[in-house]
Amino acid sequence: DAKTTQPNSMESNEEEPVHLPCNHSTISGTDYIHWYRQLPSQGPEYVIHGLTSNVNNRMASLAIAEDRKSSTLILHRATLRDAAVYYCILRDRNYGQNFVFGPGTRLSVLP
Amino acid sequence: AAGVIQSPRHLIKEKRETATLKCYPIPRHDTVYWYQQGPGQDPQFLISFYEKMQSDKGSIPDRFSAQQFSDYHSELNMSSLELGDSALYFCASTIDNTEAFFGQGTRLTVV
Repeated sequence: DAKTTQPNSMESNEEEPVHLPCNHSTISGTDYIHWYRQLPSQGPEYVIHGLTSNVNNRMASLAIAEDRKSSTLILHRATLRDAAVYYCILRDRNYGQNFVFGPGTRLSVLP
Repeated sequence: AAGVIQSPRHLIKEKRETATLKCYPIPRHDTVYWYQQGPGQDPQFLISFYEKMQSDKGSIPDRFSAQQFSDYHSELNMSSLELGDSALYFCASTIDNTEAFFGQGTRLTVV
């Protein structure tokens, strides 16, 4: 499995933008970049995913480097409810392939 | 919208007992995944099923088995329980190999 590298922790102030980086230098051409987050005592929650182009949805934006070796999850205005562990996951298009949760980034949001 | 349903939510078992965890995926989802998350750990992949056939296998102990039934629900059977099996067990489902939706998990405590 291709590996990802994320900072162990980050801190943000409420209502400020947050940029969560992820390095994936060994990404293959068929790997999608997925982001999930896990709030305390809850199951992981899908945030966003993309292949090559930047993506936006109601929760966040995903900026993907041109060489695809890194990506950044952008929360435009952090709220206290965004405090969670954020996981950057590479996943091939193959059916049934599992999601590998590596050490993610623990985001703290300060009021 | 219907989500992934897991039952029971909490389970207490004694060592050497057996346990069965159930997962009801979102209707029409074709793939089910099982994950184990120990205290302070990241979710670890156990096993997955695509269209009722095992599609991938992770760090699932031989004491555990799983299957997916004709109605697409899945069960994780755990025998000869050990103290170290105490964890949160998550089930997730996907359709067409897109984003995964996770259940709220079953908290298993082995005493």
